[in-house]
Amino acid sequence: DGGITQSPKYLFRKEGQNVTLSCEQNLNHDAMYWYRQDPGQGLRLIYYSQIVNDFQKGDIAEGYSVSREKKESFPLTVTSAQKNPTAFYLCASSAGTGGSYGYTFGSGTRLTVV
Amino acid sequence: GENVEQHPSTLSVQEGDSAVIKCTYSDSASNYFPWYKQELGKRPQLIIDIRSNVGEKKDQRIAVTLNKTAKHFSLHITETQPEDSAVYFCAASPPGGSQGNLIFGKGTKLSVKP
Repeated sequence: DGGITQSPKYLFRKEGQNVTLSCEQNLNHDAMYWYRQDPGQGLRLIYYSQIVNDFQKGDIAEGYSVSREKKESFPLTVTSAQKNPTAFYLCASSAGTGGSYGYTFGSGTRLTVV
Repeated sequence: GENVEQHPSTLSVQEGDSAVIKCTYSDSASNYFPWYKQELGKRPQLIIDIRSNVGEKKDQRIAVTLNKTAKHFSLHITETQPEDSAVYFCAASPPGGSQGNLIFGKGTKLSVKP
């Protein structure tokens, strides 16, 4: 699936529940990213990681957490502290950072609060 | 940090006409400018990119132009077809990777009417 796989495709969360979105890549890319997409809002950066065991907050990190224990994997946890989590979540990876590296995106996870 | 402005937010054209989407960026050190196309419910996909040492790049009906002095770059689609209908995102890549690798515009929803 383009070398980067997100699962599940659809996810439903109850109030007060934590949920984890999976992102796995087999492109040997160093950098990975999580974006949130709401209608009319474009792509907003949640977290990114340039190397294993290191990650940085993006513009809207509150209520989210990540880990990067393996190069291939960058899971995103949406915690109960995120009050409006309904959105389309996109994971991406790139071969490096600092210029000239485009992104490969996963197919996304659509999260809905029920 | 880098900031990318994209205009217009929506664009409607007749099939066969041309479409132009413009982006401006703030960091003169940005050196890589990709364009992504996102069809409804799908992942963004890279359609064309340009580096700062090039002024124009073409790929069939799609072209991108870059004006480094004015700090803007544009996507040109000629002979538009209904399958060109999608949301288009521009991005700029500041050096250093301190904001993640790519800074995205808010997107342009292009509708091509048959």
